[in-house]
Formats: sequence, structure tokens, C-alpha cells
Amino acid sequence: AQTVTQSQPEMSVQEAETVTLSCTYDTSESDYYLFWYKQPPSRQMILVIRQEAYKQQNATENRFSVNFQKAAKSFSLKISDSQLGDAAMYFCAYRRGDPNFGNEKLTFGTGTRLTIIP
Amino acid sequence: DAGVTQSPTHLIKTRGQQVTLRCSPKSGHDTVSWYQQALGQGPQFIFQYYEEEERQRGNFPDRFSGHQFPNYSSELNVNALLLGDSALYLCASSFGTGRIGELFFGEGSRLTVL
Repeated sequence: AQTVTQSQPEMSVQEAETVTLSCTYDTSESDYYLFWYKQPPSRQMILVIRQEAYKQQNATENRFSVNFQKAAKSFSLKISDSQLGDAAMYFCAYRRGDPNFGNEKLTFGTGTRLTIIP
Repeated sequence: DAGVTQSPTHLIKTRGQQVTLRCSPKSGHDTVSWYQQALGQGPQFIFQYYEEEERQRGNFPDRFSGHQFPNYSSELNVNALLLGDSALYLCASSFGTGRIGELFFGEGSRLTVL
């Protein structure tokens, strides 16, 4: 079974600075997808960024980027120019690459609570 | 465009009771997944519905059951509630042939079992 590990229960960063959240995963599959989701106090999970395992290029979305190390099974999230609105729980998630419908289950880590210091 | 809506937002039950949670998917979506998020934990997959059938199931007992209606809305039922069922229950919707992993989540139903 796949597992996702987030070893940082809490992180804090000064506003406008850069912070990196860590995630490691374990899988025997070669085709899969990785995601970072944000969960603010409103509780709604919001997709931040995704990475296809077959792509060597790291994904970026504005101030958010990932460092995907497939051999090390590591998938970290870097947030640049941190803003107060970035404060939330951040979850790393894994999905099998099986294209067959019905296999869209996400496996989540335990999350990292990010605090932004004004 | 309404997103994923869930009801109720909060509810309190006692052990042994039964509960029904409801979810309306985002407009245009036909697939609904349910997740359980215990306090301080990441969401755990319960099951997924498409075309009114359960397509995939996580490691949850039969006390957890669901239903999907022709309008794609869905219900999650939990029987014989245990204290350990206290959690945030998240509904997520997607379109069957859409971008992989682009799930849209609701704000959840917070269940407390006393």
C-alpha cells in the first residue's frame, strides 16, 4: 500500500519570505501523481499544485513550486514571497496513475500547519 | 457556479445512533468521493460513487454506506455510531473524464459522537 509522510507538523515563516514543506512517499508503482492541497480554517481543501511522476520538470504555479525527487521519493513544496493568506494546513497526497476510472483515490499525509508571521 | 455543498455543517449524535450526510457536487460533475478526516489527521478515503454505483472503497466497515442519486448528489450513511466516528466528513466531486486528481472539495460536515 502507498504511504505519504509529512514529518513537519508545524512550520512558520516571516511574511514575504520563502518556506519549504517536506513530503516523502512510498510506492512500488512507476506511474503516479502527487499533489499539494491547502486546507484553510474554512475546511475546504484546495488544490495548490500537482506533479505527474513521468515528468522530470518540476511543476510551478505562481509563487508555489515543487522539488520532485523521484528516486528519493521526495516531493517538497516551496512557497515564495509568503503571504498572510497562505496560512493553512498543507497536505501532500498521492494518486495511482492507473487511468481506469474508479481508481481516483487520494492517499493523504498527516499535514503541516503553516503559520505566517506578519 | 455553485461549488460542492454539504449538509449539515455540524451535528452531534450519541453512540449507537445513525447519521446521514449529504453532498451536492459541483455543477457538471458526475462523480462523488467521500473522505473522513479525524482531528489532526489527513483525510482517509471512504468510497467513490459514479453512475449511482460504488466504484471504489477504502478500508472502512460496512457500517459506512452510501448512495448516489440520478442528479449526482450523494449521501453517506453511518450506522451504529462509535466515538471513533467523530470526524470531519469531506465530499469531493469530479468529472469522470476530467483532469486526473482535480477534485473539488466541500467544506465538510463535522460529526461529533458522544
